[in-house]
Amino acid sequence: GAVVSQHPSRVICKSGTSVKIECRSLDFQATTMFWYRQFPKQSLMLMATSNEGSKATYEQGVEKDKFLINHASLTLSTLTVTSAHPEDSSFYICSARARGLAGIRGTQYFGPGTRLLVL
Amino acid sequence: DQQVKQNSPSLSVQEGRISILNCDYTNSMFDYFLWYKKYPAEGPTFLISISSIKDKNEDGRFTVFLNKSAKHLSLHIVPSQPGDSAVYFCAASTFQGAQKLVFGQGTRLTINP
Repeated sequence: GAVVSQHPSRVICKSGTSVKIECRSLDFQATTMFWYRQFPKQSLMLMATSNEGSKATYEQGVEKDKFLINHASLTLSTLTVTSAHPEDSSFYICSARARGLAGIRGTQYFGPGTRLLVL
Repeated sequence: DQQVKQNSPSLSVQEGRISILNCDYTNSMFDYFLWYKKYPAEGPTFLISISSIKDKNEDGRFTVFLNKSAKHLSLHIVPSQPGDSAVYFCAASTFQGAQKLVFGQGTRLTINP
């Protein structure tokens, strides 16, 4: 089956530092990757959609200069939280759509998530 | 504005009985609905989906019902098994934003032996 990995699974950082989270599709090529954020007891909220080789599309209210997304290859997308602050502490989860399944709705494979704690 | 709502944060069901998880939505433009299952420390995995042209979709022990007039969908699991214990998310999308999923808050299902 399609596997998506995320690294790191957990990160603690000091306020003001930047944190990079990687999302990889291990056994398929992902033309589109999605980044979500989930606060405790709340739903997964889509932050941005990234297509390989092009700029990410951010959802309303998400600061693109703070959450930098790079989708450099068909198997890797990165989310960098720049100048992280305690309110950025959350669970970040990525998903990927496989190449060739663009017409099949809902076919997203999710990573296990990254828990970020900013002190 | 929570467009997809799962009002029950948790549900406990005895093994072998039916589990019913509910989901309500407010956006009438949603025309495709999905259920995902999530175990701790893992990402959500796709379970079952339904298009708005249908009112029922069945896959083994899992059946999803859609009531468009009430903007309500439910997931039935029968018979429930201990391995079904997980957090279940419903999600919805519109035709125009077909790639974008709007999730509910999730319901933690516990199956008791």
